[in-house]
Amino acid sequence: NAGVTQTPKFRILKIGQSMTLQCAQDMNHNYMYWYRQDPGMGLKLIYYSVGAGITDKGEVPNGYNVSRSTTEDFPLRLELAAPSQTSVYFCASSGTGGWYEQYFGPGTRLTVT
Amino acid sequence: KNQVEQSPQSLIILEGKNCTLQCNYTVSPFSNLRWYKQDTGRGPVSLTIMTFSENTKSNGRYTATLDADTKQSSLHITASQLSDSASYICVVSFTGGGNKLTFGTGTQLKVEL
Repeated sequence: NAGVTQTPKFRILKIGQSMTLQCAQDMNHNYMYWYRQDPGMGLKLIYYSVGAGITDKGEVPNGYNVSRSTTEDFPLRLELAAPSQTSVYFCASSGTGGWYEQYFGPGTRLTVT
Repeated sequence: KNQVEQSPQSLIILEGKNCTLQCNYTVSPFSNLRWYKQDTGRGPVSLTIMTFSENTKSNGRYTATLDADTKQSSLHITASQLSDSASYICVVSFTGGGNKLTFGTGTQLKVEL
């Protein structure tokens, strides 16, 4: 049982490039989330999904896209990378409802130069 | 606007000593409050989850308290160990927000010999 896995661990992008951050979970959770964590700031929700085929915007969705074709996978797409997207990205998953614990992946550190 | 504020921002204590971290929130309507531990370079890990009807919840040497009237919570760490060195994040969930969370910026704790 690997929990929540993320790839890659680190990535450096040039301005204008695109990339996909991968996230997978093996706990059969319906809910999945993408957060970004900037230095000295609390985690901010980018996008979330309540099940396969259903996604919704969080607090800071601009510049990102997501898809959820399976229960297990929730990739985050960055189009036209900008320096403001330099951050640590965390994927998380949880059971259904407001009570369930969110399990976080190890994070992807992204630098855009 | 929903906010979560934590104090102190950072703290250094000697191994074996106790410490208390503070959290004030303005999230409304309140659903539950969580404390997470985040080791450097890792994703957050849940320590406790409390509803408005719970005053205290323990997890080993970690004890969280909640005063829903004053919208304050604290995390008490007993007999600190070097492995307690981490960022401790207070997180609040609001009713009707699904499982969306508002994160504090964390208290950076360092335990020294």
